[in-house]
Parts: sequence; structure tokens; C-alpha cells
Amino acid sequence: KQEVTQIPAALSVPEGENLVLNCSFTDSAIYNLQWFRQDPGKGLTSLLLIQSSQREQTSGRLNASLDKSSGRSTLYIAASQPGDSATYLCAADTGRRALTFGSGTRLQVQP
Amino acid sequence: DAGVIQSPRHEVTEMGQEVTLRCKPISGHDYLFWYRQTMMRGLELLIYFNNNVPIDDSGMPEDRFSAKMPNASFSTLKIQPSEPRDSAVYFCASSETSRLAKNIQYFGAGTRLSVL
Repeated sequence: KQEVTQIPAALSVPEGENLVLNCSFTDSAIYNLQWFRQDPGKGLTSLLLIQSSQREQTSGRLNASLDKSSGRSTLYIAASQPGDSATYLCAADTGRRALTFGSGTRLQVQP
Repeated sequence: DAGVIQSPRHEVTEMGQEVTLRCKPISGHDYLFWYRQTMMRGLELLIYFNNNVPIDDSGMPEDRFSAKMPNASFSTLKIQPSEPRDSAVYFCASSETSRLAKNIQYFGAGTRLSVL
């Protein structure tokens, strides 16, 4: 059974800092790895999706990497802003259409 | 498109009552997912449908939970009878086959259920 872990559970950084969020998964037979953002009281918004054949994906200040062999993915946020404050979740897609989610990293960017 | 629409946004009920949560997926999407989010267990898949047919309901916690999708634009998740441990945020998500190679799921805003 796939298990997804995210470290740290919470992170507080000053505005402008670059930061890395970590995600690990136990079963390397994934179809893709996805990163989502969740704002308080809201649903999830897809940020980046990395196919199993890819090593990384970039969108603006966000860069996600994937290392299947080690069961790890990272989300890099450059020049963080207060508007980046949210909970970030990673999810592994094992090809069954269903996603297995990590518990999330709650990010607070201080102005 | 308005996105995935869930109703109600908040539901407060008493133990033993029947609760029905509703979801309207994005038009044209043929996959629909129901998830539950709690502090203790995080976000868990309950059930998903493809072309209105339930494909995997292994995440449904017990017989008190049931889900239906009578047509491509509507799904319900019903809890009968409800218990305090059912208190959670329930999310509906949808995706389309043309993007299935990526399985990008679009989430609704969720229904926050409180069972007293």
C-alpha cells in the first residue's frame, strides 16, 4: 500500500526566502506525482504534476523534482511571498486514478 | 466553467440523522472522486466513478456510507445514520479522460460536516 509522508509539517519563513518542501513515498511504481495548494476553508488547487518519466517541472517561481528510485519529490519555492502562505500537499498517483495524499506542509511567509 | 460545485458548504446535524452531500462535476468530465479530510487521517479517497459507474469503493468506511451518480452532472454521498466520528471536510473532485494520462483532478470547495 502506498504511503506518502511530508516533512516538515509546518514551516515559517521571512518574505523573500527560498524554501524546499519534501515529500517521500514508499512505492516507486507511480504514474505521476502531484503537488497541490490548499488555502484555509478552500479546496485543493493543482500546482505541478510530474510524470513518472520526468525529473522536474517548473511553473513560475515553483519547481518540483522527482526521484523515483529514492521515493522522493521536492517542491522548491523561490523568493517566497506572503501570498504563498497555505498548506502544500503532495499526492502519488499509482495509475488507479486514485491519489494517495501526504498530510501536508503548512507554510507561513512572514512579511 | 464554474468548476466543481458542492453543496451544502457547511452541515451541522445530530447523531443518528441522515446526511446527504451533493456534487456537480465540471461539464464533460467523466471521472468523479469523493475524498474525506480530517486532522487525524489527512485526505483519503472514499470512492470514485467513471461514466457514472462506481469503480473503487474500497475507501468507504462502512455500510453507513453510500454514494450514487445518477447522471453525468450529479453525485451524492449519503451517511445514514451519522455519527460524531464522521465529522470532517468532504471533497468532491472530477477529471476528464482526455487528460487521463495526467489525471489532473479539479476539486470543489468542500462540505464541512459536523455531527453533534
